[in-house]
Amino acid sequence: GAGVSQTPSNKVTEKGKYVELRCDPISGHTALYWYRQSLGQGPEFLIYFQGTGAADDSGLPNDRFFAVRPEGSVSTLKIQRTERGDSAVYLCASSKGPSDEAFFGQGTRLTVV
Amino acid sequence: ELKVEQNPLFLSMQEGKNYTIYCNYSTTSDRLYWYRQDPGKSLESLFVLLSNGAVKQEGRLMASLDTKARLSTLHITAAVHDLSATYFCAAERDSNYQLIWGAGTKLIIKP
Repeated sequence: GAGVSQTPSNKVTEKGKYVELRCDPISGHTALYWYRQSLGQGPEFLIYFQGTGAADDSGLPNDRFFAVRPEGSVSTLKIQRTERGDSAVYLCASSKGPSDEAFFGQGTRLTVV
Repeated sequence: ELKVEQNPLFLSMQEGKNYTIYCNYSTTSDRLYWYRQDPGKSLESLFVLLSNGAVKQEGRLMASLDTKARLSTLHITAAVHDLSATYFCAAERDSNYQLIWGAGTKLIIKP
């Protein structure tokens, strides 16, 4: 595709449920990032992949959050036992390589009720 | 710990006026980015500033970087309504590709 694609665009889930958020990066981009953006704030770093491996997962808030990128392309962010405080827009970005210009997807708006 | 502060957080201005958004960061950073975000939309990359004294211009927007002062500015010249958006600056932390973001400046340009 032409840009970074994220699905779903909106997700409403009940507290305690498990959710998966998907990111399709730009073809050929080896670097992939997940960020979380709360209303009125700047994005907050979650995790960075270089290829298939998580090069930096220091931003994941706790062990309920996990992300994978098994084939070095599509990535899935997984959240277990969701809490209301997890409600935010989850943004994915990709770049050709580390520190190259990053292109962002439209985001997935997660609402935990 | 790298922190990024933007000001102002909200700016309402008339078309045709000039204004500057400021971005201060607390520790050394290799790169400084400016992004634009329209309501409900994704983040659009505007500028990447790599070195002290770097200046980049695109249309009515000009960004500069002073690494000694740990300050970047985004200057808007003769603002037009289409520039209404939220503008974010972000600094790269210790060359580890992690961006630390400011809170954003919501810019409203009135006709």
